[in-house]
This record gives sequence, C-alpha cells and structure tokens, in this order.
Amino acid sequence: TQLLEQSPQFLSIQEGENLTVYCNSSSVFSSLQWYRQEPGEGPVLLVTVVTGGEVKKLKRLTFQFGDARKDSSLHITAAQPGDTGLYLCAGARGTYKYIFGTGTRLKVLA
Amino acid sequence: GAVVSQHPSWVICKSGTSVKIECRSLDFQATTMFWYRQFPKQSLMLMATSNEGSKATYEQGVEKDKFLINHASLTLSTLTVTSAHPEDSSFYICSASIAGAKYEQYFGPGTRLTVT
Repeated sequence: TQLLEQSPQFLSIQEGENLTVYCNSSSVFSSLQWYRQEPGEGPVLLVTVVTGGEVKKLKRLTFQFGDARKDSSLHITAAQPGDTGLYLCAGARGTYKYIFGTGTRLKVLA
Repeated sequence: GAVVSQHPSWVICKSGTSVKIECRSLDFQATTMFWYRQFPKQSLMLMATSNEGSKATYEQGVEKDKFLINHASLTLSTLTVTSAHPEDSSFYICSASIAGAKYEQYFGPGTRLTVT
C-alpha cells in the first residue's frame, strides 16, 4: 500500500518555467523528506521538514510541509536541465523509518 | 562525510542461486540500516529495517526466508537473496542512519540484480 501519492507522475517542461510537485497522504508524518534520484544511483537528500507549515528554501527550490503534516510541496523556480530527475518524497511514521512516495519524473528541456 | 557504499554495484546470477549484497557505512556508525527495492520507473519500496545485533524487521509482504538480512556490525549490513528467481530482478538500495541523528539517512548507490 502506497501511503504517499505524488502528482504529477511525469512532467516535461521548458527551461526557465516554474513547476510544483505535490506529495499527499491521509496519514500524519513526524517528518518528511524530499530526494532527487538519477538513473542507476541512490536517492540524494534535498531537505527534511519537521514542523507543520514549515517552509525551506534551497536555491531555486522551495519546500513546504502542510499545517497538518499530511502533505508537502516542492516548487522549482526557473527550472534548468540539471533539475531533470526523479523526485521522491518520503514520510516518517517513527523516528527513522521512511516510506517513499510514488515519485515524480521531471524532464527539463533546454 | 556520511558515505554509504554497496557491493557489488551490479550482479547477474542464474535462477535458483543465492546472491549476497553488502551495505557499508564508510565514515560513521550506523545503528539502523534500511533495505529498499526499486523496480524500473517506480519508487522505492521499503523491504526491511535492520538494527545492529538484532533481527531485522520486515515489511508486510516481504518474505524473511527469501531475503535474509544480517547486521553484524555498526558499519555492515548484508542482504542475501536466496533461491533467486527472475522476478527478484530489481535495483536494491540500502540506507543508513547515524546514531543520534534523528532524521538523517544516507543512501548507498544501489545494486542492480539480474536473475536469468
């Protein structure tokens, strides 16, 4: 059972466009992480959010944790081809155990 | 810092044989390691949680007798796929948590298993 649903599943955009990826659940999480994964490699952590309503920025990436800690969003401003990859959210139901979302595959065209 | 390695990076084996995959934390002690499986174009599915010195906790639907996990030290966990079948072909990824670091987990580069 996949507890975390991401949308959209696939996204192909032109360089310079903005985009938002959503991560939704009916469950409450103690923390939520976002990762980016390249083909044939392990995921790389982008951010961890732990407080409801928390907003974190990482250069052109803005992450928000929902007030009820059930959902999160990732917004990318002025996307670049280097942003291409599989974006995964992961929610923790305990201190360490994370369950991954369904994934969003992003392709940014030059 | 916080580097996790996996060995081998890829392996091809014949149906019915067993394969062992190693996950090592190179520069930190990992009290907890996780094993994930990822099918092509899909997300990561947690298979089991491995704590040093104790039995692994398996997720629902994962056969513990087929996927043997040993976490013998604070820097090494192994996953053995026993009597492998073609449907076990997948990308296996481990991650490790640093003792005392509440939310951090660091991922290995993954092992591509192909069973022929």
